[in-house]
Formats: sequence, structure tokens, C-alpha cells
Amino acid sequence: DGGITQSPKYLFRKEGQNVTLSCEQNLNHDAMYWYRQDPGQGLRLIYYSQIVNDFQKGDIAEGYSVSREKKESFPLTVTSAQKNPTAFYLCASIEWGSNYGYTFGSGTRLTVV
Amino acid sequence: QQQVKQSPQSLIVQKGGISIINCAYENTAFDYFPWYQQFPGKGPALLIAIRPDVSEKKEGRFTISFNKSAKQFSLHIMDSQPGDSATYFCAASSGNTPLVFGKGTRLSVIA
Repeated sequence: DGGITQSPKYLFRKEGQNVTLSCEQNLNHDAMYWYRQDPGQGLRLIYYSQIVNDFQKGDIAEGYSVSREKKESFPLTVTSAQKNPTAFYLCASIEWGSNYGYTFGSGTRLTVV
Repeated sequence: QQQVKQSPQSLIVQKGGISIINCAYENTAFDYFPWYQQFPGKGPALLIAIRPDVSEKKEGRFTISFNKSAKQFSLHIMDSQPGDSATYFCAASSGNTPLVFGKGTRLSVIA
């Protein structure tokens, strides 16, 4: 089945630690996105990539980093510079010109302990 | 600056009733307006979408109404069912720019 796989589903981070969230898609989609979801805040864009080896900052990129070395992979690193990382992180992808909108993964819930 | 304003934050509807969620936008360049449905612990899934060349789009019990002059669009869920209980997000984009989402509406359909 084609889709987006996010792992892990739950992740715990200690203070001062960097963690990396995985996002893999086998849909052959061109563009990939990372959104952060907090209660009552909707989905806020962290980073996005429209092509391999290129990515752009979204509205809340501070404290995060990404890479896009392969079309199917777009990992997100939450660095120690992100002071409030506890949230639900969603990865999405889309094929250019598609009328079907974004396909989302099932998310990773990150908690600082 | 919130580009897409969604209301209400939460909504309780009787089974069989009509659920209505509204969104307003400022950016006149937006040309794609989708609605997403999200169940707890899951990623959002595309429900229905509209482009500004039509004023209404219907898919089953779900209808989008679009008012270009007022810069508003809304989701109507007819004959609401308990299985429709979820969080709904409106969104907008222009061209290939990333989707901008509203803050979401938590819908509860009670029997």
C-alpha cells in the first residue's frame, strides 16, 4: 500500500537532547512538509521541500532542521534550541498538479521529560 | 498573523442535524480551499476541496459553500452522525505554496 510512514509514533526527549523524527513516503510525491500541531493552534508549518536537496523554512522553523537527500525521505530534527518541543508532529506529501490534496502520515507525538 | 480564521472552536450537534463550520481568509491570491477531517491520534485526511470558480461543491453528505466576494467558505455536514465526531480543519493555498490551516473545530455529534 502506498502512503506516508512516520516513526516513531511516540518519542520522549530529555532536556538538551536532539531527536530525529522519520518520514518516508512511497507515493513518488515531489513535495514534502512538516507541520506541528498543538491543541487549539491548528497545524503550523515548520519546513517544506519541493525537490530533493532543497527545502524552505516555514512559519515556525526556529529550533528545527531538516534534510532531503532522497525523494522519499524527509527527516525532521528537533534540536535543543527548540524550547517547547512537546507537540504532535505531522508529515505530509503531495504530487504536483494533484487534485487530491496532501497525504498525511499518522504523526509522531513528542514529549519532553 | 492568522491567514485563515475558523469558527467555531467546538460544536455539538444532535444526530441527524446539520453541522456548519465557517472559515474566512484575507489573501485574495488563495485559489484552493480544502477541508480536512482528523480523528484522535491520526493524521488529517482530505474530506472535500473547492476552487474559486464554483460557489458550491457537494460530495455525499458534505458540502462546501464558497463566497468569493466575502472571502469566506464553509463546510456543511448534512444528517450528522456520531461517526462524524472529529476535528475539522479548513485550509487555503495559492499555486504551489504550502497549505495554511485554520485552528480547527472539534465536532461532537450526540445521539
